[in-house]
Order: sequence, then C-alpha cells, then structure tokens
Amino acid sequence: AQSVAQPEDQVNVAEGNPLTVKCTYSVSGNPYLFWYVQYPNRGLQFLLKYITGDNLVKGSYGFEAEFNKSQTSFHLKKPSALVSDSALYFCAVRDGSTGKSTFGDGTTLTVKP
Amino acid sequence: EAQVTQNPRYLITVTGKKLTVTCSQNMNHEYMSWYRQDPGLGLRQIYYSMNVEVTDKGDVPEGYKVSRKEKRNFPLILESPSPNQTSLYFCASSPWDRGETQYFGPGTRLLVL
Repeated sequence: AQSVAQPEDQVNVAEGNPLTVKCTYSVSGNPYLFWYVQYPNRGLQFLLKYITGDNLVKGSYGFEAEFNKSQTSFHLKKPSALVSDSALYFCAVRDGSTGKSTFGDGTTLTVKP
Repeated sequence: EAQVTQNPRYLITVTGKKLTVTCSQNMNHEYMSWYRQDPGLGLRQIYYSMNVEVTDKGDVPEGYKVSRKEKRNFPLILESPSPNQTSLYFCASSPWDRGETQYFGPGTRLLVL
C-alpha cells in the first residue's frame, strides 16, 4: 500500500529565511509526486509535481522540490520565505496504474515578519 | 472558466437522513475523486473514478456511495449519515494521464447532528 509521511505538523520560519517542508513516501511502482497548498477557507491549489526527469522541480510562487529516490523523499523548498506563504501544505503520491491518490497529513507553514 | 463546482457548500443534517453532494467539472476530465479532510488526518480519498461507469474505493469508502453516469458529474451519496461523517469534503478532477494535476472544488462543509 502506498503512503505519505509529513513528519512535521508545523514549520515556523522568519520572513526572508529559507524554508523546507519535508515529505517521504512509499509506493510500489514509479512515484508520481505532488505538492499542493491550501489557504484558509479555500480549496487545494497545485504547486509542483515530479513525474520523471530532473530531480529538482520548480513550481509556482518560487517553490521547488527535490526528488531523492534513495531516501524516498520529496521535500518542498523555497530560498526566501514570504509572510504570504503561510498556509497548509500537502504532499501527495499517485499510483500510476490505478490513479489512487494518497495525501500526507499536511504541514502548517507559518512565516513571521 | 475551467472549474470544479460542488453543491451545497454548507450542509447541516441529522443522523440517518440521506443526502447527496453534487460535483461537476467542465474540463472534460476522465478522472474524478472525492476526499474528506479532517484535522490532523490530512485528505483521505473516499472514492475515485477513472471514467464513466468506472469507480473504485479509496481509503475510507465506508458509509459512502458514488456513481459516474456522465463524464462531468460525480455525486457523493450518504445513505444514512452519522456524526463521524462530519467533515470537509472536496471533489477533484484531472485528465487521465497519471502525471496530471488534480483540480479541486471549493469544498463542502458537512455537519451531521
């Protein structure tokens, strides 16, 4: 069975500092990995994805993520955090054969001025 | 405008009273899915559908039914709601390519008394 772990419920960073939101996964086949963001009282919005190719993927709003196959990780990063990045972040894996999706429990990112 | 719509957005009901939450997408997507979001538990997939008349169980299907008679619609049915189904529900859709992003609806907040 596939699974996703986001080991930190909460990440706090100061504005202008780099941020990392961690994600590890388990899937039987090739992983299709995604990051989504949810702002208060809103639906989920896509940030970026890894399907194949370059291990460093770039996404919306200056976010990027690094795929590490040996560590089965897909950590979300941003070089310089903004207060407006404060939100709930979800990592997800999708089974390429069945389409079944599994999300992590989410990580609340708080960026303080 | 490309979008996923859900109705109703808010619903208060009582135990045992059958209800349906509708989901519709105008992007001609093959894949549609229902999730529930609960604090600390992230998003959990209830059911998904890879195309018309094709549905499959996600991680938490108990107490729910779905149907996919048309490509654009994917209603979620609670035949006999119970208080533990109080949650925030999201519908999502995507093209069937397994690397494609899911587009989420705005959510339906359900309270079962």
